Amino acid sequence: QLQLQESGPGLVRPSETLSLTCTVSGGSIINYYWGWIRQPPGQGLEWIGSIYSSGNTYYNPSLESRVTISVDTPNDQFSLKLSSVTAADTAVYYCARGTPIPGGYYPFDYWGQGALVTVSS
Amino acid sequence: DIQMTQSPSTLSASVGDRVTITCRASQSIGSWLAWYQHKPGKAPKLLIYKASTLQSGVPSRFSGSGSGTEFTLTISSLQPDDSATYYCQQYNLYPWTFGQGTKVEI
Repeated sequence: QLQLQESGPGLVRPSETLSLTCTVSGGSIINYYWGWIRQPPGQGLEWIGSIYSSGNTYYNPSLESRVTISVDTPNDQFSLKLSSVTAADTAVYYCARGTPIPGGYYPFDYWGQGALVTVSS
Repeated sequence: DIQMTQSPSTLSASVGDRVTITCRASQSIGSWLAWYQHKPGKAPKLLIYKASTLQSGVPSRFSGSGSGTEFTLTISSLQPDDSATYYCQQYNLYPWTFGQGTKVEI
């Protein structure tokens, strides 16, 4: 059974960089899309961005200037960095897998449990 | 960005009821729509993809329909375990976008 687990600091200071890692177990990271999605308290889901196992990235334009997603295939991990954070970036951050079909379309079929990141001084 | 609008925001129903949630896209997305079930503190779960294809392992009481801009998720006979928030998501055009969610109370 595929499992995804987010890890990283639960508290980040304003203006600093949020860093999270997603570790994939029970399956290969190759030939899939891997995404980050967040949910601020009391709000809905927001797609942050995705990366294909080859390294191609796709970012939400609303966050693109601050986001970097990378993949570490030998270690079955992928990571999120979000720079210059503010209180508005406080959210539960989820990592997820996208299974591609022809045309580059993919829903997220496996998700991690989520990691709460609070931005506060 | 493609805006996804769900209705209703909250739904209260009884065990055994037939429940329908609607999701509308601000422009045509073909059939590139997914439905997720989300319970507090848990990972969201994919229920339906490509508008009407049931994800493996999902009970057959869940079904999806629609194409273009209007979609529905139906639970044919509501069960206690179905208490959750349900989200639609379009994956036709970046950035992927989600509906605001429908909370189903039993």
